[in-house]
Amino acid sequence: GENVEQHPSTLSVQEGDSAVIKCTYSDSASNYFPWYKQELGKGPQLIIDIRSNVGEKKDQRIAVTLNKTAKHFSLHITETQPEDSAVYFCAASKGDYKLSFGAGTTVTVRA
Amino acid sequence: EAQVTQNPRYLITVTGKKLTVTCSQNMNHEYMSWYRQDPGLGLRQIYYSMNVEVTDKGDVPEGYKVSRKEKRNFPLILESPSPNQTSLYFCASSFDKRQGRGPLHFGNGTRLTVT
Repeated sequence: GENVEQHPSTLSVQEGDSAVIKCTYSDSASNYFPWYKQELGKGPQLIIDIRSNVGEKKDQRIAVTLNKTAKHFSLHITETQPEDSAVYFCAASKGDYKLSFGAGTTVTVRA
Repeated sequence: EAQVTQNPRYLITVTGKKLTVTCSQNMNHEYMSWYRQDPGLGLRQIYYSMNVEVTDKGDVPEGYKVSRKEKRNFPLILESPSPNQTSLYFCASSFDKRQGRGPLHFGNGTRLTVT
């Protein structure tokens, strides 16, 4: 089955700096890569996703890049703010019923 | 408001005492799923359901049961809980079972402690 590895497990950044989280996947048939953000005491929420026919996607301060050859994808958060502090999960799917999640990254934005 | 509702939010129980965690969604979603979240392991799928009366095992189904008698409800049953089932549990739903056709909507979680 699909194996998704996520790094780093924790990330501390100064407010205003950028944060980058990286994930690798094992199944070359995977074609859908979402990112979920989990705030304290809440369930994960989709923040951005990318499909295998696209190399990069942006939404305001967040962006995701995909390298199909290397089988890795990354989340980039620019101009970090305190409300960006959360746990972030990457995931991968072949577009079927299965979504495999990474282990999560706890991001702390220091004021 | 569109949402997935789990109850209870917190539960402390003893080994062997049967319990049920309820999950209900008001979005008329076909697909529902249960995950457990453990430190360093991320979200692991326990069971999922593609429609009423259709359920299947995920990655970590041992010790759990589910049922889908109605479209909106998907309870998680622990017949004989053990300490290794201490975890944070999430129910999720989406309108299509095929990932990428819509986001997974998660509940706010159930923190279960088995002593």
